[in-house]
Amino acid sequence: VRLLESGGGLVQPGGSLRLSCVASGFAFSDYAMHWVRQTPGKGLEWLSAIGDSGFATYYAGSVKGRFTISRDNSENTLFLQMNSLRADDTGLYYCVKAQASVPVAGDYWGQGSLVTVSS
Amino acid sequence: DIVMTQSPDLLTVSLGERAIINCKSGQSVLYNSDNKNYLAWYQQKAGQPPRLLISWASIRESGVPDRFSGSGSGTDFTLTISSLQAEDVAVYYCQQYYSTPRTFGQGTKVEIK
Repeated sequence: VRLLESGGGLVQPGGSLRLSCVASGFAFSDYAMHWVRQTPGKGLEWLSAIGDSGFATYYAGSVKGRFTISRDNSENTLFLQMNSLRADDTGLYYCVKAQASVPVAGDYWGQGSLVTVSS
Repeated sequence: DIVMTQSPDLLTVSLGERAIINCKSGQSVLYNSDNKNYLAWYQQKAGQPPRLLISWASIRESGVPDRFSGSGSGTDFTLTISSLQAEDVAVYYCQQYYSTPRTFGQGTKVEIK
């Protein structure tokens, strides 16, 4: 199993970024996926999840209405569209494979993509 | 939101001794329809992403040494390292996946005495 995140970088407050996560080594369309971020001040923070088919989506209150999770099962790719970014969105963003078709525990994690929100 | 509270924040244990980490959830994470506790434990070593150790409160993942065990039900859970090894130095997190948001505990740092 391999999860490779990309799309992070430096963005100004109020800006947007789109993270991608290319998955390999497993049947991507059979598993739910998560996004989790890590910041020095807050530890691990679960952000969002999506069911195997992409129809069911789940969000933390801190990102609901600003972030959108999606997936392309034909390309084995998970996305996180992040709008209206704030300084406290700065962190390392992990793509995580769930153990089942619904968002239960995450059994494989990517190396993370660093997002920095600063002027 | 279900608040997950771990104790202690820092645990210092001698090599070969037992390490016990506690995790308390603000409400039960036991799903009555399947009698499963929706609780996981992760280990994060410095510079690495987290690694799943235990799911469903007590099911050890493949490849995880048997010195790691999880127990508990409802709102109170424990991760036990029966004989601490040098490679177990890490931060340990519990997480509930019973409801959205899937909240984590604040983490417990395990060090060698």
